[in-house]
Amino acid sequence: DGGITQSPKYLFRKEGQNVTLSCEQNLNHDAMYWYRQDPGQGLRLIYYSQIVNDFQKGDIAEGYSVSREKKESFPLTVTSAQKNPTAFYLCASSRDRGLSLRTEAFFGQGTRLTVV
Amino acid sequence: AQKITQTQPGMFVQEKEAVTLDCTYDTSDPSYGLFWYKQPSSGEMIFLIYQGSYDQQNATEGRYSLNFQKARKSANLVISASQLGDSAMYFCAMRELMYSGGGADGLTFGKGTHLIIQP
Repeated sequence: DGGITQSPKYLFRKEGQNVTLSCEQNLNHDAMYWYRQDPGQGLRLIYYSQIVNDFQKGDIAEGYSVSREKKESFPLTVTSAQKNPTAFYLCASSRDRGLSLRTEAFFGQGTRLTVV
Repeated sequence: AQKITQTQPGMFVQEKEAVTLDCTYDTSDPSYGLFWYKQPSSGEMIFLIYQGSYDQQNATEGRYSLNFQKARKSANLVISASQLGDSAMYFCAMRELMYSGGGADGLTFGKGTHLIIQP
């Protein structure tokens, strides 16, 4: 089955530590995205990538880093510089590079990160 | 200013009734697309329906339809004959052509409406 896999589902981090969230897709999609969701809030874009070895900052990139070494993988690192990292993180992908308005994004099941 | 506004934080609806979820948007881009997503308690986002700014007719997908009023900049989701499984968070989102081309490529989301269907 094609889809997006995020792991782990739950992640606990001590203050001052970096953690990496995994996102893998087997849909052969060019574009991949990371969103953050806080309680009672919509999704906010952290980073996106339209092609391998290239990525762009979204609206709330500070304290996060990404890489796109393979088409199917787009890991997100939450660094110690992120002041309030506790949130629900969603990875998404879409078929093209956003050139079509119609293109829908497919989402993974999310990772819930908690700082302890 | 918020680009997507969903004014109903929560709604309770009786099973089998129709329900309308409100969404207003703000853009100066003549080319844009509007999406509705459902987020059940499991967390994943499920695409429901799409409306393009130049589409002449309101979009429909099974029990979902979109009441698109371009002059009012509103794109309300209508769910007919609601079911218990419709209980979830619902998000309205927008992609703008100009925004996609030069800047961030993703969707802009509203804060969502928590819909609860009661038996």
